[in-house]
Amino acid sequence: GENVEQHPSTLSVQEGDSAVIKCTYSDSASNYFPWYKQELGKRPQLIIDIRSNVGEKKDQRIAVTLNKTAKHFSLHITETQPEDSAVYFCAATPNTGGFKTIFGAGTRLFVKA
Amino acid sequence: NAGVTQTPKFQVLKTGQSMTLQCAQDMNHNSMYWYRQDPGMGLRLIYYSASEGTTDKGEVPNGYNVSRLNKREFSLRLESAAPSQTSVYFCASSWTSGNTGELFFGEGSRLTVL
Repeated sequence: GENVEQHPSTLSVQEGDSAVIKCTYSDSASNYFPWYKQELGKRPQLIIDIRSNVGEKKDQRIAVTLNKTAKHFSLHITETQPEDSAVYFCAATPNTGGFKTIFGAGTRLFVKA
Repeated sequence: NAGVTQTPKFQVLKTGQSMTLQCAQDMNHNSMYWYRQDPGMGLRLIYYSASEGTTDKGEVPNGYNVSRLNKREFSLRLESAAPSQTSVYFCASSWTSGNTGELFFGEGSRLTVL
């Protein structure tokens, strides 16, 4: 089955700096890669996603890149703000058995004002 | 429009007790899921229901049972709770399969097993 590894587990940046979170997946059949943000005590919410036929996607200050050959995908947050502080989860969903979205362990991002 | 609603939000059980977590969605989604969240381990899929009338095991199904009562409701039952089941449980729903779009999560249910 699919396995998703996420790094780093904790990331601390200064307000205004960029933050990068990296994930790798094992199942070459995975074709959908969402990113979820979870604020303290809240539910996870989708912030951006990318499909395997696209190499990069951007939405304002956040972007995601996908390297299918290397089975890597990354989340980039530019001009970080204190409200970006949260836990971020990457995930991968296989093309077959598309209900089994598998999550990484999460990255706790701290943005220092 | 409440989205995904879970009950209860908090529960304390003794080892061996049973309980059911309830989940309901009002978005007319076909697929529903139960995840557990433990520190440092992300969200792990317990069971899912691709559509009304079907249920399947996820990554960590042992010790749990589920029922897809109708299109709106998907319950998770612990028959004999163990301390290892102390966790935060999230119900989620999606239009169809997880690779077609967003998972909508409930607020979570924090379960402690003593």
